[in-house]
Amino acid sequence: DTAVSQTPKYLVTQMGNDKSIKCEQNLGHDTMYWYKQDSKKFLKIMFSYNNKELIINETVPNRFSPKSPDKAHLNLHINSLELGDSAVYFCASSQGEPSPLHFGNGTRLTVT
Amino acid sequence: AQKITQTQPGMFVQEKEAVTLDCTYDTSDPSYGLFWYKQPSSGEMIFLIYQGSYDQQNATEGRYSLNFQKARKSANLVISASQLGDSAMYFCAMKPKFFGNEKLTFGTGTRLTIIP
Repeated sequence: DTAVSQTPKYLVTQMGNDKSIKCEQNLGHDTMYWYKQDSKKFLKIMFSYNNKELIINETVPNRFSPKSPDKAHLNLHINSLELGDSAVYFCASSQGEPSPLHFGNGTRLTVT
Repeated sequence: AQKITQTQPGMFVQEKEAVTLDCTYDTSDPSYGLFWYKQPSSGEMIFLIYQGSYDQQNATEGRYSLNFQKARKSANLVISASQLGDSAMYFCAMKPKFFGNEKLTFGTGTRLTIIP
């Protein structure tokens, strides 16, 4: 009965590879997000989708491409991985106002 | 642009004492929401408490309360009777309350350690 689930939990890969992180929410929320948490624990938004439409796209390299096949899913594909992409990536969802974001448990990506 | 400032990178507090985590913010949005999240060492993000900018009363949730001072643009989190399980990172965050820019902006966090 997990509300926001993301897979995998850990991802270790080499520079130059392409990888994907999947996210699903069963809360019926309209809005989903990807956040990146760096090594200093700072959380920064990357993307936001509302009903499958992109509404927020922060200054993220175009190697990162989100895809939302339906409003319950928001996947993140990363091309040509770099060392600086190593971080914890959080998926989240929310509905209306005032609504907190519900976060998944994070995916720790390590690029070697 | 929104900005959240948490000036305490780390705090050590004796068990059972109350603790106040500071948060100040800056925004030009007339209506916004303020949130606090807890991130234990296991890594998950746990929502604690919410305060709306037009709410007349300070928010409370169990041992958590939010000391909201709108004129000062501060939204401090107060944890009463601290417990060992309160040891974690705490993040203050803000979101404007209108559709089209539902971006939750986080502060840099405060690492709270409860001492037995």
